[in-house]
Amino acid sequence: GAGVSQSPSNKVTEKGKDVELRCDPISGHTALYWYRQSLGQGLEFLIYFQGNSAPDKSGLPSDRFSAERTGGSVSTLTIQRTQQEDSAVYLCASSSTRGADYEQYFGPGTRLTVT
Amino acid sequence: GNSVTQMEGPVTLSEEAFLTINCTYTATGYPSLFWYVQYPGEGLQLLLKATKADDKGSNKGFEATYRKETTSFHLEKGSVQVSDSAVYFCALSPYSGYSTLTFGKGTMLLVSP
Repeated sequence: GAGVSQSPSNKVTEKGKDVELRCDPISGHTALYWYRQSLGQGLEFLIYFQGNSAPDKSGLPSDRFSAERTGGSVSTLTIQRTQQEDSAVYLCASSSTRGADYEQYFGPGTRLTVT
Repeated sequence: GNSVTQMEGPVTLSEEAFLTINCTYTATGYPSLFWYVQYPGEGLQLLLKATKADDKGSNKGFEATYRKETTSFHLEKGSVQVSDSAVYFCALSPYSGYSTLTFGKGTMLLVSP
């Protein structure tokens, strides 16, 4: 029973470069969430995918951030023209939408450092 | 909007001491409340939850009671262990179901032998 996996585990990039972060949810989970954990802001919601519905993008901090979810499974979070304030741990979570178990299961995160 | 406020840490205790980590929230309607824990070097995991007023969530000796009248969900444990050292996050979702979480800033707990 694999949990949520994320890659890479660590990413160091130069300011101005684009980065892609990947999330593999638990098989069968139709809900997928991205959060960001930073020293100054704590844990913040970024974006939420639920099945085939339009994603809830209300937490994305700027238009440099985007995410997609292909085939209802794997998700990629893309940050364009990275800035130093983007340095954080990016967490992905997934949950089932069956029955009453809507617990969000978190991945180990991707630590992004923008130099 | 929704918000969660929890006590700042670090909280430093000796083994077998009593633990309380305060958490209060602001939300409309009937949110669900959660405590998540992040052990050193590990991912975030759900510790306990409560979905309606007066519910008590419990797990691993930790307890928290959903108090609507005081909008609180304080985490307690009667006797902490060194292995409880971690960062604890209080969180809410606006309703019982599939929804995003609003987190507090986290409280680090350090337990010494």
